[in-house]
Amino acid sequence: AQSVTQPDIHITVSEGASLELRCNYSYGATPYLFWYVQSPGQGLQLLLKYFSGDTLVQGIKGFEAEFKRSQSSFNLRKPSVHWSDAAEYFCAVGRFSGGYNKLIFGAGTRLAVHP
Amino acid sequence: EAQVTQNPRYLITVTGKKLTVTCSQNMNHEYMSWYRQDPGLGLRQIYYSMNVEVTDKGDVPEGYKVSRKEKRNFPLILESPSPNQTSLYFCASSLGSGRDNEQFFGPGTRLTVL
Repeated sequence: AQSVTQPDIHITVSEGASLELRCNYSYGATPYLFWYVQSPGQGLQLLLKYFSGDTLVQGIKGFEAEFKRSQSSFNLRKPSVHWSDAAEYFCAVGRFSGGYNKLIFGAGTRLAVHP
Repeated sequence: EAQVTQNPRYLITVTGKKLTVTCSQNMNHEYMSWYRQDPGLGLRQIYYSMNVEVTDKGDVPEGYKVSRKEKRNFPLILESPSPNQTSLYFCASSLGSGRDNEQFFGPGTRLTVL
């Protein structure tokens, strides 16, 4: 069965430091992968997505993610974190089933940013 | 502004009292779905709809009903809420059904069942 694992429940970084959030997936076919961010009290916003082609994907707010098929990973990175990046981050894989694209989400990683 | 709206945003109720959470989108999207978010579990799909009058179960449909009588609206109905349905609920919509179609999420409804 398809699944997404985010090994880190909580991560704390200092403002200006680099960030990497881990995501591992289990999917039989070529995965369609997404990263969403949920700011406090807000809905989910799409940061970036990977379907095919270049394995390094650029997203909004200075985020990027790298797809590594050999490691079944799609880690999210940012070179310099801002205080406004404090939020919960969700990795997801798209599964086409019953004529509909369903998102299978990981449990999420909550990011705290120290000034 | 293109958006998905949900009402209410917060709701406290008691066991067994029927309630409806509304969802509306103004993007003329065909596909809509409901998710619940629980700590440590991420988001799980409850129901989805591919068009008017076409709905189907997601991964956790027990205790929920939905209807799609108009394209823009997709209400979630809890006929007899129980405490294990205390959760954060999200409605989402997308233009197409392909795996690459971005889903747009509403702001969420936090439900507490006492």
